[in-house]
Amino acid sequence: AQSVTQLGSHVSVSEGALVLLRCNYSSSVPPYLFWYVQYPNQGLQLLLKYTTGATLVKGINGFEAEFKKSETSFHLTKPSAHMSDAAEYFCAVTSASGGSYIPTFGRGTSLIVHP
Amino acid sequence: NAGVMQNPRHLVRRRGQEARLRCSPMKGHSHVYWYRQLPEEGLKFMVYLQKENIIDESGMPKERFSAEFPKEGPSILRIQQVVRGDSAAYFCASSPGQSGEKLFFGSGTQLSVL
Repeated sequence: AQSVTQLGSHVSVSEGALVLLRCNYSSSVPPYLFWYVQYPNQGLQLLLKYTTGATLVKGINGFEAEFKKSETSFHLTKPSAHMSDAAEYFCAVTSASGGSYIPTFGRGTSLIVHP
Repeated sequence: NAGVMQNPRHLVRRRGQEARLRCSPMKGHSHVYWYRQLPEEGLKFMVYLQKENIIDESGMPKERFSAEFPKEGPSILRIQQVVRGDSAAYFCASSPGQSGEKLFFGSGTQLSVL
């Protein structure tokens, strides 16, 4: 079984401030981990993913995330928030289940960016 | 190279009617996933299909809901005798393989049941 917990349904930052969105996962086998972003009235877009190898992964729009196995975490960060970053962010985990990989998503964190 | 296409974008049904949601995956993708999104609840997995086969439907209600992905044509999510609780955004995603490494999402269908 796999699950994802995103701490904080809403995160508010000022433009130019650090963005930190938290994600903890549970998986009985080595996971693949993802962050997706959803803008209003749109589908989800992949920001970044971890499968194997380097634990610090860089994604689009200046975001990055670090896989920490000991903490079962995959927090998303960006050094300086931009107004255009305001959106809903979803963490997801995938691991093999009966031969198929079906992503499980967290509840989402709404990022609010103040001018 | 068109992305994942879902239609209609908005669907209004009265209680007891049927809802049909369509999803055309990206070209070359043979794997389709359906998710339901409710406010404050994130995306809930419903069903995973490959061409002509249902691989995993563990997230789909046993009654009134069905899905198909025929050899030709789009994937269809069908909800019979809709109830108000079915009101939600339904998202389809496709991938080229079964590893789930990257899903491409459509813009969703917002179903409203009156």
